[in-house]
Amino acid sequence: DTAVSQTPKYLVTQMGNDKSIKCEQNLGHDTMYWYKQDSKKFLKIMFSYNNKELIINETVPNRFSPKSPDKAHLNLHINSLELGDSAVYFCASSQGLAGGSYEQYFGPGTRLTVT
Amino acid sequence: KNQVEQSPQSLIILEGKNCTLQCNYTVSPFSNLRWYKQDTGRGPVSLTIMTFSENTKSNGRYTATLDADTKQSSLHITASQLSDSASYICVVSHQTGANNLFFGTGTRLTVIP
Repeated sequence: DTAVSQTPKYLVTQMGNDKSIKCEQNLGHDTMYWYKQDSKKFLKIMFSYNNKELIINETVPNRFSPKSPDKAHLNLHINSLELGDSAVYFCASSQGLAGGSYEQYFGPGTRLTVT
Repeated sequence: KNQVEQSPQSLIILEGKNCTLQCNYTVSPFSNLRWYKQDTGRGPVSLTIMTFSENTKSNGRYTATLDADTKQSSLHITASQLSDSASYICVVSHQTGANNLFFGTGTRLTVIP
């Protein structure tokens, strides 16, 4: 049974479009995250969401917005896509904030290509 | 400035050999240090988490060490297997702040037969 799942696995779209990536975790965790991994394989946190509190990495453009319909889901919406948004996006979850030694579980990733 | 640096950037070893990956950090005050394994096309998977008071932790053939005084960690892989080919990422957590995880750029390990 997949712990953290993401859909779609691949997403190819044109500049200027709006798209969403879905994430679901069945671990009963309180905290969910979105990460971006660029072409150099560097992982960078974008958001963490814990008990309805959203914490944003200040470098993330406001075209990106996470939405959590319930505790098990944290979807990522991206408006006005740009070429530089092409990357692999990972969803993750943990019981508490990962900085407090809680184990983080990552999804399989969504490869976004903007043309 | 809080940073995590890993070395080497890439490594090729023969199957059955041992290897050691390095992680140096400047994150302070330190909370914990993690090693992740990321297979190609997959999300990272946690190997070990160590707090300030722990100086070694094992997970099968993987053994992580931590020297909090010198701010260094290593990941030692024993009797490597082809399936060990992956990127290994060191992540250091700061004691304060919510988005307080600092990621290294990883070491790409390739095990060849």
